[in-house]
Amino acid sequence: QVQLQQSGTELVKPASSVKISCKASGYTFTSNYMHWIRQQPGNGLEWIGWIYPGNGNTKYNQKFDGKATLTADKSSSTAYMQLSSLTSEDSAVYFCAREDGTYYYPYGWFAYWGQGTLVTVSS
Amino acid sequence: DIQMTQSPASLSASLEEIVTITCQASQDIGNWLAWYQQKPGKSPQLLIYGATSLADGVPSRFSGSRSGTQYSLKISRLQVEDIGIYYCQQASSAPLTFGSGTKLEIK
Repeated sequence: QVQLQQSGTELVKPASSVKISCKASGYTFTSNYMHWIRQQPGNGLEWIGWIYPGNGNTKYNQKFDGKATLTADKSSSTAYMQLSSLTSEDSAVYFCAREDGTYYYPYGWFAYWGQGTLVTVSS
Repeated sequence: DIQMTQSPASLSASLEEIVTITCQASQDIGNWLAWYQQKPGKSPQLLIYGATSLADGVPSRFSGSRSGTQYSLKISRLQVEDIGIYYCQQASSAPLTFGSGTKLEIK
């Protein structure tokens, strides 16, 4: 069965960077877009961007351009998101989510989600 | 960006009651809409995709409908396990956007 296992809670200092991971299993990692979504405390969901592990193509929400960098390692079926120049505003739970569909016909919704990674930015 | 205006923000209903949550898209998104349920401390769960299709394993008391750019999620007979926060999400164009959420409680 499809599983997305995210890395653990991070406590990081302002102005630093953090890299969180999402290890996929139960399907062909290179065949589906992987998305990242942010949920700030008590708030709703914000789409950060996607990566297609098959070719490394990425697309970002303009709001997160320069903040988030998405990568993928095909050999370990793991997607990564690096967040840079962290501020308290970046404190949130970050989810990876697998998009249904194919490379040329993505559906844009998510049947499979990671469990979430809490990032807390504090000095 | 496409705005998804979701209402109500919160809702308290009795068991077995019919519950309806709506999302209004700021422009035409066709059937590119999904609904999710999120319970505290958990990841969102896909309920409805393509505006009206039930996701695998989701009880048939959940249903989705569309009228123009207004989308609705209906729970036909509210159960205790249905409490949580519900979100709509448009999948028509990037950036993908979510509604602000509806918190559903049992009266």
